[in-house]
Amino acid sequence: GDSVTQMEGPVTLSEEAFLTINCTYTATGYPSLFWYVQYPGEGLQLLLKATKADDKGSNKGFEATYRKETTSFHLEKGSVQVSDSAVYFCALSTLTGTASKLTFGTGTRLQVTL
Amino acid sequence: DADVTQTPRNRITKTGKRIMLECSQTKGHDRMYWYRQDPGLGLRLIYYSFDVKDINKGEISDGYSVSRQAQAKFSLSLESAIPNQTALYFCATSDDYEDGYTFGSGTRLTVV
Repeated sequence: GDSVTQMEGPVTLSEEAFLTINCTYTATGYPSLFWYVQYPGEGLQLLLKATKADDKGSNKGFEATYRKETTSFHLEKGSVQVSDSAVYFCALSTLTGTASKLTFGTGTRLQVTL
Repeated sequence: DADVTQTPRNRITKTGKRIMLECSQTKGHDRMYWYRQDPGLGLRLIYYSFDVKDINKGEISDGYSVSRQAQAKFSLSLESAIPNQTALYFCATSDDYEDGYTFGSGTRLTVV
């Protein structure tokens, strides 16, 4: 079945450091890929997405590139801020007939300190 | 108002009690979902519905039931709550599998 593997956290960085959170996937068919962010006490928010190979999703300084050859969708940001502290989830969605649903990774907690 | 509203936000209930979590949306989406979140396990799908007449089990549906009362409303029930159903529950909606989901703020349920 479909699955998503993320690097375990927590990831602790100083402000302005470079961020990478690794995500790899296994899927039948041709998935769409997503990163969601969950701030403390809130629901998940869509951060960025990519729907085909070599697409780059970007938002709020975060980027991720859909790599079909390595089945990866790693999240990067060049300079993190304290306000980026949150839990980040990688997810995929595949369409089978008329059915589609998101499969999530286990989440990676990011803590950014001054 | 939020696009996806979940009630209640927090609930403590006793083992064996029946409890209903409610979800309503103003997105106009046909597809609605219930997930539960547990530490270290990510989000797991409980039930999903692609329209009012379509209800499907997810990967962890045992002990849960749902009702799709209208396009905008999708309720999750725990028929007889047990402590290992203590979790954070999220409702979500979507329009197309490529667009991602819109999530509610969650219901934190504690079963004692």
